[in-house]
Amino acid sequence: AQSVTQPDIHITVSEGASLELRCNYSYGATPYLFWYVQSPGQGLQLLLKYFSGDTLVQGIKGFEAEFKRSQSSFNLRKPSVHWSDAAEYFCAVARGANFGNEKLTFGTGTRLTIIP
Amino acid sequence: EAGVTQFPSHSVIEKGQTVTLRCDPISGHDNLYWYRRVMGKEIKFLLHFVKESKQDESGMPNNRFLAERTGGTYSTLKVQPAELEDSGVYFCASSGTGLRNTIYFGEGSWLTVV
Repeated sequence: AQSVTQPDIHITVSEGASLELRCNYSYGATPYLFWYVQSPGQGLQLLLKYFSGDTLVQGIKGFEAEFKRSQSSFNLRKPSVHWSDAAEYFCAVARGANFGNEKLTFGTGTRLTIIP
Repeated sequence: EAGVTQFPSHSVIEKGQTVTLRCDPISGHDNLYWYRRVMGKEIKFLLHFVKESKQDESGMPNNRFLAERTGGTYSTLKVQPAELEDSGVYFCASSGTGLRNTIYFGEGSWLTVV
């Protein structure tokens, strides 16, 4: 069974600083990969997704992620964070067995705090 | 276009009582999912409907949980009787047919069992 590891439970960065959230997955083949964000009091919003092709994926809100097969990683990055980016971020994978219409396996999440 | 809507947003019940959570997917979405996040843990898959049929219910924790999807539209998740460990956030999600669809999540139903 696939699994997802987000090694950082909580990260604090200064507003305007760069950000990288780590995600490693365990799966034999190349899965479908996702990053979701949950802001306080809100539901899960999709930031970006990777199915195939270009390994650098652009998402909403200025986020990007890079798929590295050799490292089984899909890290999320943003060059300059804003106070509104404070939220919890979840990495997720799907096997790709049903072209994406299947269950997601989530990591435990990384809570991001932004300081002025 | 309305998103995935869930009701109630918050619920506090006593151990042993019954709670029914409702999810209205995005109109036209055949795929409907239920997930749960117990405090401090990861978001875990419960089950997947395709229209009114259960495609995958491998994540349902036990027979106290019953999910239905009437006519392939809205879905309900009933917990009966509720236990303390059922407390958490229950997310519903939906996606359309075709390839590589985006899965859209609702805001969640926060359940507290006391």
